[in-house]
Amino acid sequence: EAQVTQNPRYLITVTGKKLTVTCSQNMNHEYMSWYRQDPGLGLRQIYYSMNVEVTDKGDVPEGYKVSRKEKRNFPLILESPSPNQTSLYFCASSPLGGGDNSPLHFGNGTRLTVT
Amino acid sequence: GDSVTQMEGPVTLSEEAFLTINCTYTATGYPSLFWYVQYPGEGLQLLLKATKADDKGSNKGFEATYRKETTSFHLEKGSVQVSDSAVYFCALTFPGGYQKVTFGTGTKLQVIP
Repeated sequence: EAQVTQNPRYLITVTGKKLTVTCSQNMNHEYMSWYRQDPGLGLRQIYYSMNVEVTDKGDVPEGYKVSRKEKRNFPLILESPSPNQTSLYFCASSPLGGGDNSPLHFGNGTRLTVT
Repeated sequence: GDSVTQMEGPVTLSEEAFLTINCTYTATGYPSLFWYVQYPGEGLQLLLKATKADDKGSNKGFEATYRKETTSFHLEKGSVQVSDSAVYFCALTFPGGYQKVTFGTGTKLQVIP
């Protein structure tokens, strides 16, 4: 089954403790992206990657890192999480970008709480 | 920059009621327009799309028409079901290779029996 898999689904951590949220897709998509979803703000893009070893900042990259060493994986790293990073995070992929012929495929989300 | 504005929710309807969720956009050029749906506990999935003016996208009984003159892409359904309860996101992008997707803030729909 074609899917984007994120882990964990739920994560509670403390300020400053490094964490990684994993994302993997089995559709051989070139493009992958991370979003955060906050009430009243919708989805905001954190980072994206157009291929292996090619990553770029989205709208809200501060406090996050990513890497793309393999085509299928795109982990999101919070080196020193802070409470304002408490949010619902989504990973997405598509063959190209999110354009009209290649809609985004989303994972089921990771709900992160930083205390 | 490009932006998408959706009506605020939540929207609460009785089963079999008519649904309209308003969406307007601001963009330079001629974007493609989308509606994504997010069911509880899941990620977003594409519901329908329209790539040029006057196009109508449709899926699962939902429809939306790309209105260039009013820069709108309102989502409609003639008779909603409880299973339609979800958050609906309007979005835009531009054709041709990688292009950023700009999302609206989402509208929560609750359908009661």
